[in-house]
Amino acid sequence: GEDVEQSLFLSVREGDSSVINCTYTDSSSTYLYWYKQEPGAGLQLLTYIFSNMDMKQDQRLTVLLNKKDKHLSLRIADTQTGDSAIYFCAESGRGGFKTIFGAGTRLFVKA
Amino acid sequence: NAGVMQNPRHLVRRRGQEARLRCSPMKGHSHVYWYRQLPEEGLKFMVYLQKENIIDESGMPKERFSAEFPKEGPSILRIQQVVRGDSAAYFCASSPLDRATEAFFGQGTRLTVV
Repeated sequence: GEDVEQSLFLSVREGDSSVINCTYTDSSSTYLYWYKQEPGAGLQLLTYIFSNMDMKQDQRLTVLLNKKDKHLSLRIADTQTGDSAIYFCAESGRGGFKTIFGAGTRLFVKA
Repeated sequence: NAGVMQNPRHLVRRRGQEARLRCSPMKGHSHVYWYRQLPEEGLKFMVYLQKENIIDESGMPKERFSAEFPKEGPSILRIQQVVRGDSAAYFCASSPLDRATEAFFGQGTRLTVV
């Protein structure tokens, strides 16, 4: 079945760039997402990319998609302590619902 | 425009009791999705509903779990005869169309079964 995998932890220093990686198995994925979850909160959609794109940039966020390798990454430039959270990679098919989530990467930002 | 509202935020139930989780979608949204998040795991899709219709419930356990989204009022996720393994965070999302690209999540209901 469909699966989304990502590393569980990442620690960076404030001001450095963070790169969170994700792999997925469903070759028919149409949308790929990055969500942010802060403690005790719901999920916040950070950005998404269509499968026919290979890069999307939005301020400090850069998403790279390698469709051949089914690899998605999120780069956060100039990481701040407020970026500490869990980041979920997710994918969905053409209809957009029934989104499949990874287990989340916990980003720790050291001052 | 208030976001997706879920209540209660925290719910404690004894084994064997019923749990009712409510989700009010954002204004203008007619599609609701329920997800479950077990500790240290990602979100798992449970069910997708439109007003008065269940579109996809392939992620719902076959027994004890049910969901509805009536014409008026919030969507309800109902868990009968709860067991310890039901302890999780249950998230609701809503969208104006059947596209998760426009889905917004609520803050979740954290269910603890004691």
